[in-house]
Amino acid sequence: DTGVSQNPRHKITKRGQNVTFRCDPISEHNRLYWYRQTLGQGPEFLTYFQNEAQLEKSRLLSDRFSAERPKGSFSTLEIQRTEQGDSAMYLCASSLYGTGEEKLFFGSGTQLSVL
Amino acid sequence: GQQLNQSPQSMFIQEGEDVSMNCTSSSIFNTWLWYKQDPGEGPVLLIALYKAGELTSNGRLTAQFGITRKDSFLNISASIPSDVGIYFCAGTFNFGNEKLTFGTGTRLTIIP
Repeated sequence: DTGVSQNPRHKITKRGQNVTFRCDPISEHNRLYWYRQTLGQGPEFLTYFQNEAQLEKSRLLSDRFSAERPKGSFSTLEIQRTEQGDSAMYLCASSLYGTGEEKLFFGSGTQLSVL
Repeated sequence: GQQLNQSPQSMFIQEGEDVSMNCTSSSIFNTWLWYKQDPGEGPVLLIALYKAGELTSNGRLTAQFGITRKDSFLNISASIPSDVGIYFCAGTFNFGNEKLTFGTGTRLTIIP
């Protein structure tokens, strides 16, 4: 068990550019979540997958955001035409759904800075 | 988005002191989780609570799921320097749906 892995750890981009982040969950986990965290706040839910199916998206997730989990393993989060307001820590988490006592385990996050 | 009320916002304590923090919600939760986050890192799970009234310990940490299901408490005994960080509570109403709502965090600082 190597934990949830996120890449890159840091991303600096210019406004208007597209960025893509990757998340590798804990191997046996069937659920994968994306959260966003801004300075001084707790993480906020963006979207989640069960296997390859995207089950829910937050209203925070504008049309410029898209997430995929094509084979039910790793996931990518893409932001198109980035804006300065997109600057935040993007956190991925995974869990094993079906145990009755699910726990979310987070990765170290990708810190995005939009200049 | 919705967030839980967490207090205090910050604490300044001396090494060896005990710490208490709490989290309240306007709605009922069926799961409470407590996380610790260091700068530039993701939250690390400390304790998970699944039943009203449940009291669970993890080393020097003890957390309780409030009877009303609208609050939770975290206590840290005999604080040490590595306890420094931001502590977040998180809750969810739906069993098996970990779409968590997070608190605003309690920043713990240890004064030398």
